[in-house]
Amino acid sequence: GAGVSQSPSNKVTEKGKDVELRCDPISGHTALYWYRQRLGQGLEFLIYFQGNSAPDKSGLPSDRFSAERTGESVSTLTIQRTQQEDSAVYLCASSFSGRPDTQYFGPGTRLTVL
Amino acid sequence: QQQVKQSPQSLIVQKGGISIINCAYENTAFDYFPWYQQFPGKGPALLIAIRPDVSEKKEGRFTISFNKSAKQFSLHIMDSQPGDSATYFCAASKGHLYGQNFVFGPGTRLSVLP
Repeated sequence: GAGVSQSPSNKVTEKGKDVELRCDPISGHTALYWYRQRLGQGLEFLIYFQGNSAPDKSGLPSDRFSAERTGESVSTLTIQRTQQEDSAVYLCASSFSGRPDTQYFGPGTRLTVL
Repeated sequence: QQQVKQSPQSLIVQKGGISIINCAYENTAFDYFPWYQQFPGKGPALLIAIRPDVSEKKEGRFTISFNKSAKQFSLHIMDSQPGDSATYFCAASKGHLYGQNFVFGPGTRLSVLP
């Protein structure tokens, strides 16, 4: 598959546990984005990577959220000490730099915090 | 200033009719205005996009109308089909060189009746 892939597709965890969400972008896409989508709502920007650097972390909702990217490829979004309000679909997208018209989204990871 | 407002929240149209979704923004630095289509359980997919140097862009049955002075843009779906039933998001982006973060509208749930 040449698209953006995310894993796991579904994650159920208990409050207080840490979770790691993975994104595999389209090969060659240097820009990578993470978004959060709560049920029935729009997309909330979390963080943007240019290569392995994150010039814009302004959307991360708290210091429990962190993200990294390695090899200008895979990215992981980590949520520590999960809370029930973290329950949402977490979407990853990638694009060529300076080409937002090439932005493609993955199918998302549905996170449920009990 | 970072918000994008979208209306209506939901829309029901008969097959063959015209669907119209409207968005408004405040930040005049935005320079890219895409529309995304999202089916249940899937990530959003880019449908059509416009830059502020043109007032209209048409691709098949989908047209974006852009009013720079009013800071508004809209999506028109001509000859709407049941397969168009989905949630539509408008978005705005700034940062031409690096494709920086998108700001999404809250979405419009479109239902096209057969």
